Amino acid sequence: DAKTTQPNSMESNEEEPVHLPCNHSTISGTDYIHWYRQLPSQGPEYVIHGLTSNVNNRMASLAIAEDRKSSTLILHRATLRDAAVYYCILRDVGGAQKLVFGQGTRLTINP
Amino acid sequence: ETGVTQSPTHLIKTRGQQVTLRCSSQSGHNTVSWYQQALGQGPQFIFQYYREEENGRGNFPPRFSGLQFPNYSSELNVNALELDDSALYLCASSTPTSGHYEQYFGPGTRLTVT
Repeated sequence: DAKTTQPNSMESNEEEPVHLPCNHSTISGTDYIHWYRQLPSQGPEYVIHGLTSNVNNRMASLAIAEDRKSSTLILHRATLRDAAVYYCILRDVGGAQKLVFGQGTRLTINP
Repeated sequence: ETGVTQSPTHLIKTRGQQVTLRCSSQSGHNTVSWYQQALGQGPQFIFQYYREEENGRGNFPPRFSGLQFPNYSSELNVNALELDDSALYLCASSTPTSGHYEQYFGPGTRLTVT
């Protein structure tokens, strides 16, 4: 399973944008980039995924570098509810459905 | 639409005992995966069930076993409990197609082994 590297923690202020980085220099051509988050006392929650192009949904945006060796999850206007551990995960499109979680980034939002 | 539910919420067992954890998948989902999350760590994949058959297994010993029922609910059984089995156990449901990008997790069962 290809490995991802994320900062252990980040801090931001409410109503400001947040950019969560992820490095995945060993990504293969068939690996999708997935982001999940885990709010306190809850199970992980799907956020977004992409392959090559930038993606947007109601929760966030995913910016993928042209060489695909890194990506950034963008929360456009953070709220206190966005405080969570964010996991960047690579999954082979043809592989098993298992998710390989790393340590993730613990995001703190200041009011 | 009912989400993924797990029972019990919390459980305390003694080393050497056996435990059964239960998961009801989201409506329409026929694939269930189980994960173990130790304190301060990311979840680790235990195994996955699809149509009542094990469909992939992580690096866990055979004393971790599971079942999936015709209604797609699932059980995780752990025999001969060890102190290191203390963790949050999560199940996630999906379909064979949607599961490649989105899995729906339950709130987990917190197991403490003393």
